[in-house]
Amino acid sequence: TQLLEQSPQFLSIQEGENLTVYCNSSSVFSSLQWYRQEPGEGPVLLVTVVTGGEVKKLKRLTFQFGDARKDSSLHITAAQPGDTGLYLCAGDNTGGFKTIFGAGTRLFVKA
Amino acid sequence: NAGVTQTPKFQVLKTGQSMTLQCAQDMNHEYMSWYRQDPGMGLRLIHYSVGAGITDQGEVPNGYNVSRSTTEDFPLRLLSAAPSQTSVYFCASANLGVGFSGANVLTFGAGSRLTVL
Repeated sequence: TQLLEQSPQFLSIQEGENLTVYCNSSSVFSSLQWYRQEPGEGPVLLVTVVTGGEVKKLKRLTFQFGDARKDSSLHITAAQPGDTGLYLCAGDNTGGFKTIFGAGTRLFVKA
Repeated sequence: NAGVTQTPKFQVLKTGQSMTLQCAQDMNHEYMSWYRQDPGMGLRLIHYSVGAGITDQGEVPNGYNVSRSTTEDFPLRLLSAAPSQTSVYFCASANLGVGFSGANVLTFGAGSRLTVL
């Protein structure tokens, strides 16, 4: 059974601080996705990474896929209260249809 | 575009009752799936479908049935509700293999919160 472990589970920081969220597995994935979920809503895709070692940037968010395609990280620079939410990593395999999700990291950014 | 629409948004059931959670998408996506979200456990896949007439089990299929008679609709049926099925249910759809080497880029509905007493 493939598992994705996210850390930390909960993070409370001040506005302007930097943070990194990790997503780790013992399994290889063909791609990893990061989603953000706000209360009362479904997750919304932020990014997909597919190549080992790939780095993608989305404004203040930087996503990296591990060289072995078993792990990923999300780094937020100068966090803002609008970044508050639940961040989920998800992985799937080419030809497979069972996208699995990590348990999520709940981020709270205080003004 | 409406995207993925789930109904009802909230539902309370008694143990043993049956009900159907509805999911419809207007993006002509081949792939549809149902997840449940419980605190500390993330999203767990219940059932999925890769096209009309084709369904398969996910991680936690017991107690749930699905069918896919059209591309647009993918209802989830609880035959005899149990308190362990209290959860938030999400329907998601995807256009298989578009853009990123087969990665399933999921579009989610807003969720259905189910409480079983």
